[in-house]
Amino acid sequence: DTEVTQTPKHLVMGMTNKKSLKCEQHMGHRAMYWYKQKAKKPPELMFVYSYEKLSINESVPSRFSPECPNSSLLNLHLHALQPEDSALYLCASSLPGQMNTEAFFGQGTRLTVV
Amino acid sequence: AQKVTQAQTEISVVEKEDVTLDCVYETRDTTYYLFWYKQPPSGELVFLIRRNSFDEQNEISGRYSWNFQKSTSSFNFTITASQVVDSAVYFCALFKAAGNKLTFGGGTRVLVKP
Repeated sequence: DTEVTQTPKHLVMGMTNKKSLKCEQHMGHRAMYWYKQKAKKPPELMFVYSYEKLSINESVPSRFSPECPNSSLLNLHLHALQPEDSALYLCASSLPGQMNTEAFFGQGTRLTVV
Repeated sequence: AQKVTQAQTEISVVEKEDVTLDCVYETRDTTYYLFWYKQPPSGELVFLIRRNSFDEQNEISGRYSWNFQKSTSSFNFTITASQVVDSAVYFCALFKAAGNKLTFGGGTRVLVKP
């Protein structure tokens, strides 16, 4: 199984809502990532978890809250988002600290904040 | 700091033509990996090829080939005999082991017309 599964695929939320994005992989990867991608732009790294511990936070606003409850799951909790946060949110996983392996990406969650 | 530059924003070809995508990178690391990813309209980033900084041997894999020139910090990618299904955005990326960071170029949109 070489899949990274993200749910939901699409999400529309109001600025006062609380929602969560979910990501799951069963490849035994111990590094998991959240990326944000705006239209016609490259993915931008948000967070990196290595062995279930947060190792990188790229100065992401606190309205985005990541969580890694176990080695297979990664969540991104959303609260009080702004319309400019509308984007494609991509989850990825890889073997941590090893360059000779690619990151596997999910299909993403297309988020619209209204 | 790491940087990846894809000077071509969009390339349009007719089916069966060859397509070469340019990628230039900057890094102070002596050990690093370079990747090419394809992003079709569905959103998922699909791994295509990987090359480490110690191996400048250029290879061909099916219709894909790459030209890694460490002296000029370039990692170009060619699709031979393009097909309509090759239409997508292609990203060059540089991996830094410290922090498991993958830095993407701006992407090149390839449109293959029948």
